[in-house]
Amino acid sequence: KAGVTQTPRYLIKTRGQQVTLSCSPISGHRSVSWYQQTPGQGLQFLFEYFSETQRNKGNFPGRFSGRQFSNSRSEMNVSTLELGDSALYLCASSLEVAGGQGDTQYFGPGTRLTVL
Amino acid sequence: GNSVTQMEGPVTLSEEAFLTINCTYTATGYPSLFWYVQYPGEGLQLLLKATKADDKGSNKGFEATYRKETTSFHLEKGSVQVSDSAVYFCALRGSGGSNYKLTFGKGTLLTVNP
Repeated sequence: KAGVTQTPRYLIKTRGQQVTLSCSPISGHRSVSWYQQTPGQGLQFLFEYFSETQRNKGNFPGRFSGRQFSNSRSEMNVSTLELGDSALYLCASSLEVAGGQGDTQYFGPGTRLTVL
Repeated sequence: GNSVTQMEGPVTLSEEAFLTINCTYTATGYPSLFWYVQYPGEGLQLLLKATKADDKGSNKGFEATYRKETTSFHLEKGSVQVSDSAVYFCALRGSGGSNYKLTFGKGTLLTVNP
């Protein structure tokens, strides 16, 4: 089974621009979560989508948004980029069963975003 | 809210040495616990997990036991190899609603020298 894929792997943008990152989950997985990884803040949760609905949201400004499509693929968008948005953005998928706990999240390789 | 505290790094060991990376957590209810590993330039890989108290997760010679009484999930390996050099993250995931997200520790950089 193919793993979680993320595109593009690397991006360079300038301040004020916007960017869209894409994530394809493992086949059959219905939940997709996004995380930001920086040297200073570590791994921080952005949001989670399940069956096309945002189920959880982290503590990030409204410039960060996402969506999930009917095939479970997900995109995240960052508008009006700031220098501090430079980070590795990781997507993770999990199977999720109703009422389940501890479904393992499997991570993609990440998209390295550099904002100049 | 949930939180994870793991030992500060970096940790430098010689090949075949014993490894322990401490991890303690704060959470309501009965979280699931995970160790992930990140090699340079890559995403996170699941190393092992435990979903209930006294469970032992194990993989590739690494082990960790879910200790509810001490709220700990320490990672151990009896004999490390150069190829184990990476950053290790302890994480927990709660149950229900907003607790489904993973909460990570800050990571511990392990360097194994030949």
